[in-house]
Amino acid sequence: DTAVSQTPKYLVTQMGNDKSIKCEQNLGHDTMYWYKQDSKKFLKIMFSYNNKELIINETVPNRFSPKSPDKAHLNLHINSLELGDSAVYFCASSQGRGTNYGYTFGSGTRLTVV
Amino acid sequence: RKEVEQDPGPFNVPEGATVAFNCTYSNSASQSFFWYRQDCRKEPKLLMSVYSSGNEDGRFTAQLNRASQYISLLIRDSKLSDSATYLCVVNGGKSNTGKLIFGQGTTLQVKP
Repeated sequence: DTAVSQTPKYLVTQMGNDKSIKCEQNLGHDTMYWYKQDSKKFLKIMFSYNNKELIINETVPNRFSPKSPDKAHLNLHINSLELGDSAVYFCASSQGRGTNYGYTFGSGTRLTVV
Repeated sequence: RKEVEQDPGPFNVPEGATVAFNCTYSNSASQSFFWYRQDCRKEPKLLMSVYSSGNEDGRFTAQLNRASQYISLLIRDSKLSDSATYLCVVNGGKSNTGKLIFGQGTTLQVKP
């Protein structure tokens, strides 16, 4: 039983395309996140939702739009993909907004824009 | 200055060695601290939380020095399976958004 699952695992697409990444967690957590890990391995937060409410929106291009239909799902839609969007995107979840227990991560989506 | 700084390494050590990693953080309001482990091409996984009094989990010991804004991880009796990248993680300060800030990671390679 996968706790945080992301699809797809790999995504290769051309510049200019629009793509979506889906994330689901079955841990009963009420907060979900999107992080981006670039080629230098830095993990940077992009967005966070708590019970479907957007609570963190870091400085990311507005081509990136998160959507949370319910507290178990957080999807990421990317418009007009650029070469610089190539990275690994990790979804994560946690209980509550606090950071007492850390996050559980999904296995990542490796996005390659060509 | 980066919010969380780590020496990226790599640290190459023989099996059985003791190795220590350090990390500094810039936000004095940070309240929660963790070490995560990330294997190559895998997701980060929580290794341990770091408490003010220091804490130990088997061969792993974490220490926190709030005055110096410094966190450490000590691994005793290194195993080949300890080879990974170790990420120092702190929360983003007083705001209760749950934001965790990750260091770049320190790579450990344990050799036979």
